[in-house]
Amino acid sequence: GAGVSQSPRYKVTKRGQDVALRCDPISGHVSLYWYRQALGQGPEFLTYFNYEAQQDKSGLPNDRFSAERPEGSISTLTIQRTEQRDSAMYRCASSSFSSTDTQYFGPGTRLTVL
Amino acid sequence: AQSVTQLDSHVSVSEGTPVLLRCNYSSSYSPSLFWYVQHPNKGLQLLLKYTSAATLVKGINGFEAEFKKSETSFHLTKPSAHMSDAAEYFCVVSDDGATNKLIFGTGTLLAVQP
Repeated sequence: GAGVSQSPRYKVTKRGQDVALRCDPISGHVSLYWYRQALGQGPEFLTYFNYEAQQDKSGLPNDRFSAERPEGSISTLTIQRTEQRDSAMYRCASSSFSSTDTQYFGPGTRLTVL
Repeated sequence: AQSVTQLDSHVSVSEGTPVLLRCNYSSSYSPSLFWYVQHPNKGLQLLLKYTSAATLVKGINGFEAEFKKSETSFHLTKPSAHMSDAAEYFCVVSDDGATNKLIFGTGTLLAVQP
């Protein structure tokens, strides 16, 4: 079956612009996670949804970052007034109700802020 | 708090020789541990998962890992390296809170020489 998909795969934007990154989880997966991966590092947790409820947003670095999952499926991570330090790979993962600790990752969105 | 330490940032082996990628974890309870692999320009793929059922865990592509509580280790091994194994490998522990967020190590880059 289809895995986790993310779009766009690559995004180049100018400093100060807003960007929206999309994640489409595996069909039926109730949990959805966002991570950020800087070059040469492992991914770091940003936020987590169970169905449409945002359960944990402790990893969001500041209030320019927000995420939503209004219908419990597709999620959007929005970064307002982007800064160069926001440049990174943004990864989305999903997991099923029966195996919540096994997360399946999408290909990521490479964000470059000029 | 949970954490993982990957002891080698780079490992180089010859094709056909054994692979050993080292990982130590820190956890206040019996953790869920994972190894993920990231091939260039690809997403993160789950190699194997430990969740206290058996200490020796077999994964995909001939990889396995052994959970050693006394040593707080979860090293990844493979008897014979293949060129296609060249990738970055992440040791991961699952958070013990309600979110199951994943905590990644810094990664080990495996090079396989012909």
